[in-house]
Amino acid sequence: DQQVKQNSPSLSVQEGRISILNCDYTNSMFDYFLWYKKYPAEGPTFLISISSIKDKNEDGRFTVFLNKSAKHLSLHIVPSQPGDSAVYFCAASAMRDAGNNRKLIWGLGTSLAVNP
Amino acid sequence: ETGVTQSPTHLIKTRGQQVTLRCSSQSGHNTVSWYQQALGQGPQFIFQYYREEENGRGNFPPRFSGLQFPNYSSELNVNALELDDSALYLCASSVDRTANSPLHFGNGTRLTVT
Repeated sequence: DQQVKQNSPSLSVQEGRISILNCDYTNSMFDYFLWYKKYPAEGPTFLISISSIKDKNEDGRFTVFLNKSAKHLSLHIVPSQPGDSAVYFCAASAMRDAGNNRKLIWGLGTSLAVNP
Repeated sequence: ETGVTQSPTHLIKTRGQQVTLRCSSQSGHNTVSWYQQALGQGPQFIFQYYREEENGRGNFPPRFSGLQFPNYSSELNVNALELDDSALYLCASSVDRTANSPLHFGNGTRLTVT
């Protein structure tokens, strides 16, 4: 049972345009969400996070939007650059997990290609 | 500042064997988590260590075990290897065990079980 779903396996956009990556979740206990980027042969790199008490968080070209009622979040990259081409993972956690451990539940990832 | 380093980068083992994977956490980080990423999947949480004690575990059998040392480096041990254990094993460290300290990942160990 996939609790974090990234329904688009791939996305292709032109350089300079907006990239929108989507993520849906089913567990209402999730209250912290993160986006990671992964290049081939490297580990995931943290991009941006959002707590459930917010509906938007912005960091430079990256903005994450959270719609709790729809259990949906999205990552916007504006403007997109060829170096953004990577696999993007959405991950979620429930801060009230027993032991306060950092169990992250991950989606399957979306492969973004930004074309020059 | 040294990031998270994992060794070895690649490993080939035979079914039934045992394997030890190693991880050096980022300087100043006291929490280490291990994840298994099968091909085409997202990472799956194996367990987390905080100050040398296991602090949470995912749905992995007891043949997956770990250690964290006083310098916060860590090992993942897998006994009685099965073909399905073939995956990328990722180690991540964080400043503490709370949810709002991001995980910093190493580049992983690619394990192949034949």
